Amino acid sequence: ELKVEQNPLFLSMQEGKNYTIYCNYSTTSDRLYWYRQDPGKSLESLFVLLSNGAVKQEGRLMASLDTKARLSTLHITAAVHDLSATYFCAVDIRGGSEKLVFGKGTKLTVNP
Amino acid sequence: DVKVTQSSRYLVKRTGEKVFLECVQDMDHENMFWYRQDPGLGLRLIYFSYDVKMKEKGDIPEGYSVSREKKERFSLILESASTNQTSMYLCASSSTTHGTIYGYTFGSGTRLTVV
Repeated sequence: ELKVEQNPLFLSMQEGKNYTIYCNYSTTSDRLYWYRQDPGKSLESLFVLLSNGAVKQEGRLMASLDTKARLSTLHITAAVHDLSATYFCAVDIRGGSEKLVFGKGTKLTVNP
Repeated sequence: DVKVTQSSRYLVKRTGEKVFLECVQDMDHENMFWYRQDPGLGLRLIYFSYDVKMKEKGDIPEGYSVSREKKERFSLILESASTNQTSMYLCASSSTTHGTIYGYTFGSGTRLTVV
């Protein structure tokens, strides 16, 4: 059974600081997805990582994938309050986006 | 842009009622999914469908059923609503045959309260 673990589950940081969220998964997969969820809202796609060594960047967020280590990271650079949200990683269980397994999410709070 | 539309944003139902949650997508996606989201438990897959009239159980199908009579529509049915089914319900869709994979597109969610 594929398991996806995120850490930390809660992250409180100050504006301007850097931090990394980690996503580990238990079986072979080369497709990993990051989503953002604002309070009371649905999930919004952030990044799609489809191969080993993939790196994607959007603004202050950068995601990477190491399939050999079964690890993805979401790095936050110079955090701002607008980044406060819950971030989920998800792994493709059958190699074709037919079924994703989600981590429990990391709730990020960026304080002024 | 792919759009996944859930018919209700908020619903309040009584215990024992039969509840229908509707989800429609407009991009000809083969795969559709129903999740529920609860604090501390993350997203849990209830049912999914990879084709019309096809369905597969997810991790927590008990107390739920689904219907997919048309490709664009996937309905979640609570046969007899109970208070432990109070939750946020999220519908999602995806495609595996158009050559590009972007993961799921989610609907806006339905917050169901069973009283």
